[in-house]
Amino acid sequence: GAGVSQSPSNKVTEKGKDVELRCDPISGHTALYWYRQSLGQGLEFLIYFQGNSAPDKSGLPSDRFSAERTGGSVSTLTIQRTQQEDSAVYLCASILRSGTSGNTGELFFGEGSRLTVL
Amino acid sequence: SQQGEEDPQALSIQEGENATMNCSYKTSINNLQWYRQNSGRGLVHLILIRSNEREKHSGRLRVTLDTSKKSSSLLITASRAADTASYFCATGGLTGGGNKLTFGTGTQLKVEL
Repeated sequence: GAGVSQSPSNKVTEKGKDVELRCDPISGHTALYWYRQSLGQGLEFLIYFQGNSAPDKSGLPSDRFSAERTGGSVSTLTIQRTQQEDSAVYLCASILRSGTSGNTGELFFGEGSRLTVL
Repeated sequence: SQQGEEDPQALSIQEGENATMNCSYKTSINNLQWYRQNSGRGLVHLILIRSNEREKHSGRLRVTLDTSKKSSSLLITASRAADTASYFCATGGLTGGGNKLTFGTGTQLKVEL
């Protein structure tokens, strides 16, 4: 697609349920990021995928959070047993592989998935 | 912890005035970027400045970088109501073939008619 696509755009769930958030990066981008943004706050890094390398999971807040990236393209962020403090906007971004001619280091963001845990 | 911290947290100006936002960071960087976020939307890249650059221009935007003070500033000249948004600095470098960016807490800019 032309840009980074995220779904669902809005998700309301009950405390204790599991949720899956999906990200379709820009075709050809080999690096993908997930960030979390609470209301009126900055972006909190969650996880980073680069090609076939092991992902950097250092930002995941607890073992209830996990993410995978299948086939080097689509990524799914899963939150198990959701809690009210998980309510936030989850942003996905992709970037062209570094070292490639024309790579500016610019991240391309999706519009985000707004999660509300009741 | 947040690598970048923007200052001020909020800024309100009249259309036509200039807006200046500052960013401070803690560790050595390879580059610093500024992003804009309209309410309820994703972030849009504005400009990137590398650690060996001191100033960069793009249209009405001017970015400076002082690595000795670990700080950067974003100047928007002749502001417009459409510039109303949150602005974030992001610091990062090329590690392991990627480009991990750490974002600050943002400056909320309001440009009034």
